Amino acid sequence: GQQVMQIPQYQHVQEGEDFTTYCNSSTTLSNIQWYKQRPGGHPVFLIQLVKSGEVKKQKRLTFQFGEAKKNSSLHITATQTTDVGTYFCAGGRSVSNYQLIWGAGTKLIIKP
Amino acid sequence: EPEVTQTPSHQVTQMGQEVILRCVPISNHLYFYWYRQILGQKVEFLVSFYNNEISEKSEIFDDQFSVERPDGSNFTLKIRSTKLEDSAMYFCASSVEGGNIQYFGAGTRLSVL
Repeated sequence: GQQVMQIPQYQHVQEGEDFTTYCNSSTTLSNIQWYKQRPGGHPVFLIQLVKSGEVKKQKRLTFQFGEAKKNSSLHITATQTTDVGTYFCAGGRSVSNYQLIWGAGTKLIIKP
Repeated sequence: EPEVTQTPSHQVTQMGQEVILRCVPISNHLYFYWYRQILGQKVEFLVSFYNNEISEKSEIFDDQFSVERPDGSNFTLKIRSTKLEDSAMYFCASSVEGGNIQYFGAGTRLSVL
């Protein structure tokens, strides 16, 4: 079935270092959404990308959607302790099918 | 700010018992979802619901599961005969339109003993 692979599973960084997580779909996606889940919390929507090659920025966060609409990335510049959590990508199957296919998440851990 | 509310926050049940998890979606939203997250693992889609019927469901959502919108505000997930492996966090979400931003509730932690 359709899958979205997300890597890495964990990333340990020193505060101030950058962080990147990648998602790859086996098929073309209609859109991709990114969610953040803090420890013990629930997923919170960050952004949605719809267009091929789209790049969006939210302060220190940069989101990209690949030209083929099969991959996406989230890059955080100069991580802060408030960035700690698990970042999930979730791909839309098609314009008419609203089910999101979720990646396994990347857990951002800030080293003390 | 409007939010999705879920009750109870934690449900403990014996294996084989029926449980009903409750959700109140955001009032002007039309699409409702249930997800499951086993501790430390990925978010897994269970079912989506629109216009008083299931629009999509995953292979996890077997005959033991059912959803209902019993009135204009509540959206429930019933598990008929719980198994140990049903222990997980269950999240309800809603969106204005399908494919749109999904707003998640805080979840119900189900513990099956």
